[in-house]
Amino acid sequence: GIQVEQSPPDLILQEGANSTLRCNFSDSVNNLQWFHQNPWGQLINLFYIPSGTKQNGRLSATTVATERYSLLYISSSQTTDSGVYFCAVEVPGGGADGLTFGKGTHLIIQP
Amino acid sequence: DADVTQTPRNRITKTGKRIMLECSQTKGHDRMYWYRQDPGLGLRLIYYSFDVKDINKGEISDGYSVSRQAQAKFSLSLESAIPNQTALYFCATGGDNTGELFFGEGSRLTVL
Repeated sequence: GIQVEQSPPDLILQEGANSTLRCNFSDSVNNLQWFHQNPWGQLINLFYIPSGTKQNGRLSATTVATERYSLLYISSSQTTDSGVYFCAVEVPGGGADGLTFGKGTHLIIQP
Repeated sequence: DADVTQTPRNRITKTGKRIMLECSQTKGHDRMYWYRQDPGLGLRLIYYSFDVKDINKGEISDGYSVSRQAQAKFSLSLESAIPNQTALYFCATGGDNTGELFFGEGSRLTVL
């Protein structure tokens, strides 16, 4: 099956810093989503981004499907950005199977 | 109110007990999923359903069963719980036109 690799696995930053999280995938995908899992365990949809670039406030994401990667940018980090960020993909013909998740990037924003 | 609701949110049980986790949704989606999350392993698919007559096994279905009682309800059962089923369980729904999934708040299960 498809492999989804996220980097870095862990990231510690000071409040106000910018960061880039990367998601590489091993095969063509129909869809790609980014999620934030907060310290309470809730999964929050950030972006549905099979291709192109989207922005939502301090967060933006870019997916280059032809090169099989996606990037999540966080600018002016706040302590509430802490948590685990997951990338998940859906393969062609595998939409019925839902999403395949990476193992996540654990982000800690220190005050 | 949440669009995807899971109950219970937390449960502690003993080995051998039967456990049911319930999921209901108000999004009107046909597709529903159960995922399991273990530390350091991301989320893995247990079962999924396209509609009330359609049930499919996912990557890690052994030891689990599901029931799709209605379009809006999808329950996960552990017939005889074992300690390695201790995990955080998520229900998700998906729209028909895109692959985007929407998750419930999770059910934390501990099997002693």
